Amino acid sequence: DGGITQSPKYLFRKEGQNVTLSCEQNLNHDAMYWYRQDPGQGLRLIYYSQIVNDFQKGDIAEGYSVSREKKESFPLTVTSAQKNPTAFYLCASRDFRSYEQYFGPGTRLTVT
Amino acid sequence: EDQVTQSPEALRLQEGESSSLNCSYTVSGLRGLFWYRQDPGKGPEFLFTLYSAGEEKEKERLKATLTKKESFLHITAPKPEDSATYLCAFASSNDYKLSFGAGTTVTVRA
Repeated sequence: DGGITQSPKYLFRKEGQNVTLSCEQNLNHDAMYWYRQDPGQGLRLIYYSQIVNDFQKGDIAEGYSVSREKKESFPLTVTSAQKNPTAFYLCASRDFRSYEQYFGPGTRLTVT
Repeated sequence: EDQVTQSPEALRLQEGESSSLNCSYTVSGLRGLFWYRQDPGKGPEFLFTLYSAGEEKEKERLKATLTKKESFLHITAPKPEDSATYLCAFASSNDYKLSFGAGTTVTVRA
């Protein structure tokens, strides 16, 4: 089955630790995106990548980092510099011929 | 400034009671208006894309329409399984990013 996988589903970390969230897609999509979702708010864009080895900051990139070494993979690192990292993180991908984005199941990160 | 607003924030319906969700947008150069369904603890599921005013799309009990300033998601004779948060988003001519509204949470009681 084609789709987007995110792992793990739940992640717990202590304050001050960096943590990496995984996102893999087998849809052969060119573009990939990371969003953060907080209760009562819309999805906010963290980073996106339109091609391998290139990525751009979104609206709330501070405290996050990404890499895009392979077309299928777009991992997100939440660093200790992110002041409020507890949230639901969503990865999405898009075929270059359309604007529609397709989402993975999400990772819920809790930092205490 | 490009922006999108959804109303109401929450909607409680009796099974079979039809209703509509609103998505108001301001964008310079609309490339597409998107509707997604999101169940609790899951990623959004793509429903529809609308490209121009007057366009309509349907899927089961859902029908999405588009004007120059708003989009509506009509739910006809809803069932409890239609309970979810419905998100709208737009893409502008500036880039391929999507801007999302905060969503409308629909609860359908049997």
